[in-house]
Amino acid sequence: GNSVTQMEGPVTLSEEAFLTINCTYTATGYPSLFWYVQYPGEGLQLLLKATKADDKGSNKGFEATYRKETTSFHLEKGSVQVSDSAVYFCALSASLTQGGSEKLVFGKGTKLTVNP
Amino acid sequence: DSGVTQTPKHLITATGQRVTLRCSPRSGDLSVYWYQQSLDQGLQFLIQYYNGEERAKGNILERFSAQQFPDLHSELNLSSLELGDSALYFCASSVTRGGTEAFFGQGTRLTVV
Repeated sequence: GNSVTQMEGPVTLSEEAFLTINCTYTATGYPSLFWYVQYPGEGLQLLLKATKADDKGSNKGFEATYRKETTSFHLEKGSVQVSDSAVYFCALSASLTQGGSEKLVFGKGTKLTVNP
Repeated sequence: DSGVTQTPKHLITATGQRVTLRCSPRSGDLSVYWYQQSLDQGLQFLIQYYNGEERAKGNILERFSAQQFPDLHSELNLSSLELGDSALYFCASSVTRGGTEAFFGQGTRLTVV
């Protein structure tokens, strides 16, 4: 079945440090890939997405490239801020059949803390 | 604000009881998904409805059930509650059956005592 594996957290960085959160996936067919972010006490928000191989999703300084050859979708940011402290979830959406359900399958989440 | 509304925000109830969680999707969204988030299990997909019909089932217990009404709002019913059912329950909606971004509500935090 479809699955997502994220690097274990927590991750603690200083402000302006470089961030990488690894994500690899297993899926049949052609999944779409997503990064969601959950700030304390809130629901999940879509951060970025990519729908086909070699697509790069980007938003708020975060980037991730859909790599089919390595089945990866690593999240990166060049300079993190304290306000980036949150839990980050990698997810995929894939359907085996035409018109089938394409529910999101999530990784376990990586908690990021950025210190001033 | 994602446009997805969940009520109530918090719920405390006793073991053995039954509760109903409510979700109003974004205007125009036909798909509603329910997820359970707990510390040990992470985010688990429970069930999906599309335009009133069940589309997919995940790790949903037999004690749990859901439905989507003609006005597209959805309810998740949890019965014979156990301590282990304490979790955050999220509803999400999307325009299509899936494959596009889903918008999440703020969640209902259920505490079973």
